[in-house]
Amino acid sequence: AQSVTQLDSQVPVFEEAPVELRCNYSSSVSVYLFWYVQYPNQGLQLLLKYLSGSTLVKGINGFEAEFNKSQTSFHLRKPSVHISDTAEYFCAVSESQGAQKLVFGQGTRLTINP
Amino acid sequence: GAGVSQSPSNKVTEKGKDVELRCDPISGHTALYWYRQSLGQGLEFLIYFQGNSAPDKSGLPSDRFSAERTGGSVSTLTIQRTQQEDSAVYLCASSTGAETQYFGPGTRLLVL
Repeated sequence: AQSVTQLDSQVPVFEEAPVELRCNYSSSVSVYLFWYVQYPNQGLQLLLKYLSGSTLVKGINGFEAEFNKSQTSFHLRKPSVHISDTAEYFCAVSESQGAQKLVFGQGTRLTINP
Repeated sequence: GAGVSQSPSNKVTEKGKDVELRCDPISGHTALYWYRQSLGQGLEFLIYFQGNSAPDKSGLPSDRFSAERTGGSVSTLTIQRTQQEDSAVYLCASSTGAETQYFGPGTRLLVL
């Protein structure tokens, strides 16, 4: 079984500042890793994913994440945030084989202050 | 193209009533997933359909929950004898069976 821990439930930052949202996972099998964003009263939108290959993955809206196998981490970063980035961010993992059902972290609420 | 759609967007029901939630996946997607998002439990997997295979029901919380997928397309999640703890947002996702799941907007269920 897999599990995901998002270390911060809330992260407040000022506009144009950099941000890092932390995610650690555990699994005994090979996994895929994802970051999803949820804007208020909307469904989940995929930001980026790691399947294999380069450990630095780039996603939409200027976000990127780095897979670190030794630390079992997949932290999300953005060098300069905008007010429109205010949302809830979910890290998720799935087995690379089989049903690929997603196991989610508890979410991190990112609040951008002007 | 059209994304995953879900209906109704909101549902208010009384404790003990049955409810049906509908999901229309992206055309051509063979895999369909149901998840539940609640304040206490976060986002949790409920059930998974892939083509004509038997569904993976390992996430259903009780036998009051069931789901079907007709013709490999539309899916209905049914909750019988609803309880207040069933109040949540029910999310549907579909995929081609390879990695990325695309989510619908969800159905917000409130059990009074």
